[in-house]
Amino acid sequence: ETGVTQSPTHLIKTRGQQVTLRCSSQSGHNTVSWYQQALGQGPQFIFQYYREEENGRGNFPPRFSGLQFPNYSSELNVNALELDDSALYLCASSPESGGKTTGELFFGEGSRLTVL
Amino acid sequence: GDSVTQMEGPVTLSEEAFLTINCTYTATGYPSLFWYVQYPGEGLQLLLKATKADDKGSNKGFEATYRKETTSFHLEKGSVQVSDSAVYFCALSDRGGANNLFFGTGTRLTVIP
Repeated sequence: ETGVTQSPTHLIKTRGQQVTLRCSSQSGHNTVSWYQQALGQGPQFIFQYYREEENGRGNFPPRFSGLQFPNYSSELNVNALELDDSALYLCASSPESGGKTTGELFFGEGSRLTVL
Repeated sequence: GDSVTQMEGPVTLSEEAFLTINCTYTATGYPSLFWYVQYPGEGLQLLLKATKADDKGSNKGFEATYRKETTSFHLEKGSVQVSDSAVYFCALSDRGGANNLFFGTGTRLTVIP
């Protein structure tokens, strides 16, 4: 039990649509990261938020965007969905350490997105 | 760029067998190294970590030593149990940026009674 919850657990969208995935972090964890895990692959870093500001981004296009709220919840938004966006999306929170994480992340179980 | 190369699976072992899952890394700085585990139906969990060269991380009978000279962080357990069946991911944390994690592709371990 990591204390990180994600919703929805599964969803199906069609190409071109938009999706919002939600995450509720552990209380006191000011840093939240989002990862994409394609089938049979390791998670890939999308971006990280610290105190409601984006402070790091992986190799993902601008149609992947996020928000972090003061109540330890956050969102991942993906616009103009493509077939390759089908994956498990993981949210991870961590306690702050001077604005940078220690690398010790607490993951949710993920939201599985299928794009048809 | 930073990356992790992990032994491909799947790996199938009998109960009480010795386990090694190889992991090597490439990094420009001095990363922290991690093993995460994903049990069936559950989210990723931190198994162990090491933050500097020659450190040994250990947890639940698993161990891994941070070897800077060979850029490796191999996971070992002396006697596996059926309950160890899971997918294991090696990862590194880049200290220079936002400390995001770079993951390997994962190794699926199945332990049979």
